[in-house]
Amino acid sequence: DSGVTQTPKHLITATGQRVTLRCSPRSGDLSVYWYQQSLDQGLQFLIQYYNGEERAKGNILERFSAQQFPDLHSELNLSSLELGDSALYFCASSVGGYSNQPQHFGDGTRLSIL
Amino acid sequence: GENVEQHPSTLSVQEGDSAVIKCTYPDSASNYFPWYKQELGKRPQLIIDIRSNVGEKKDQRIAVTLNKTAKHFSLHITETQPEDSAVYFCAASINRGFYFGSGTKLNVKP
Repeated sequence: DSGVTQTPKHLITATGQRVTLRCSPRSGDLSVYWYQQSLDQGLQFLIQYYNGEERAKGNILERFSAQQFPDLHSELNLSSLELGDSALYFCASSVGGYSNQPQHFGDGTRLSIL
Repeated sequence: GENVEQHPSTLSVQEGDSAVIKCTYPDSASNYFPWYKQELGKRPQLIIDIRSNVGEKKDQRIAVTLNKTAKHFSLHITETQPEDSAVYFCAASINRGFYFGSGTKLNVKP
């Protein structure tokens, strides 16, 4: 158990819909990272938040947005969903705000678009 | 760009042999290089990491080497065991972001 909690574990929805994925970091960690992993693909960095503020942005689509709340949990919002958005979405957390610290991953949310 | 190149994409070895996976990164300012192991359907797990002020780090059967001049780093697994079979990802901190290689599927044959 990494201490990073992601909900829900599975999500099935249709094209055009909007979903919210949730992540609670490990106790004491202030940074949350979001990644997308498509079938048999690598991990695509989407975005990082540190202590409530956006810290770094990767290959995140405009249809996607995220935020980190005062209690440090984070939500990733995906809208106008397309078939190609089907993937495993991971969040990871680390202690500090710089991307040079160990990240610990949650178990992921598997999103299926029908 | 932020491409971390990883090779090979698949690697098959006999149990007891060594396995080496290599990665290159584009940004000379990168200073943190972890390796993750991901079993099918599970989360990536950190197995070893190295910082740019160190050339080599070892943890039992696993070692990582870093060549800052050439901007590449490698994972070495000795005395491989069937339970080492998984997908291995390298990663690098680049421009305040964090980027992964495309993964190496390691198969250790008993």
